[in-house]
Amino acid sequence: DVKVTQSSRYLVKRTGEKVFLECVQDMDHENMFWYRQDPGLGLRLIYFSYDVKMKEKGDIPEGYSVSREKKERFSLILESASTNQTSMYLCASSAQGELSSGNTIYFGEGSWLTVV
Amino acid sequence: AQSVTQPDIHITVSEGASLELRCNYSYGATPYLFWYVQSPGQGLQLLLKYFSGDTLVQGIKGFEAEFKRSQSSFNLRKPSVHWSDAAEYFCATTPGGYQKVTFGIGTKLQVIP
Repeated sequence: DVKVTQSSRYLVKRTGEKVFLECVQDMDHENMFWYRQDPGLGLRLIYFSYDVKMKEKGDIPEGYSVSREKKERFSLILESASTNQTSMYLCASSAQGELSSGNTIYFGEGSWLTVV
Repeated sequence: AQSVTQPDIHITVSEGASLELRCNYSYGATPYLFWYVQSPGQGLQLLLKYFSGDTLVQGIKGFEAEFKRSQSSFNLRKPSVHWSDAAEYFCATTPGGYQKVTFGIGTKLQVIP
């Protein structure tokens, strides 16, 4: 079974702190994603990485950065956390190639971040 | 840009009753459409997907969805709901099968005895 692991399930951070959310996948997938999930807004893509050290902005990248130094690990970084970044963050991964060719996106269980 | 609309934020059904969750898409060409389910405290799991061909798609857990181009819809159905189906359901789309998927806002399903 594919496993996407988000090491921190619940975090409470203070405004202005630097926050790291870590995600590891065990299927040698090329693609990794960070989504943010909010009630009434669904999932919104923050950043997408299609290879080591490669990244692409999603729909809401402001206030976030990412790091992909190793293929299996994709980190989301909040340089200076703010209360409006309180949310559920979901990591996902998939193999290279179009979704129509049988690929599937696999999701982690999510990280609940509260910024106070 | 492609998008999907889920008009129902909450739906309550009785256990054993039939279920239909609505999803409308906006995209000129044939879209690639998905339904995902998120159980409480969990990530998302793919229920089914449509790319082309037969417009009635079978998925896991007894779910099916029908693609109707004339109505720009991709509604999810289940003939008899179980209490374990209580979850949030997301419709999603991507043009051309590319990996950057756009999700709807979700429909939260409550199942009552």
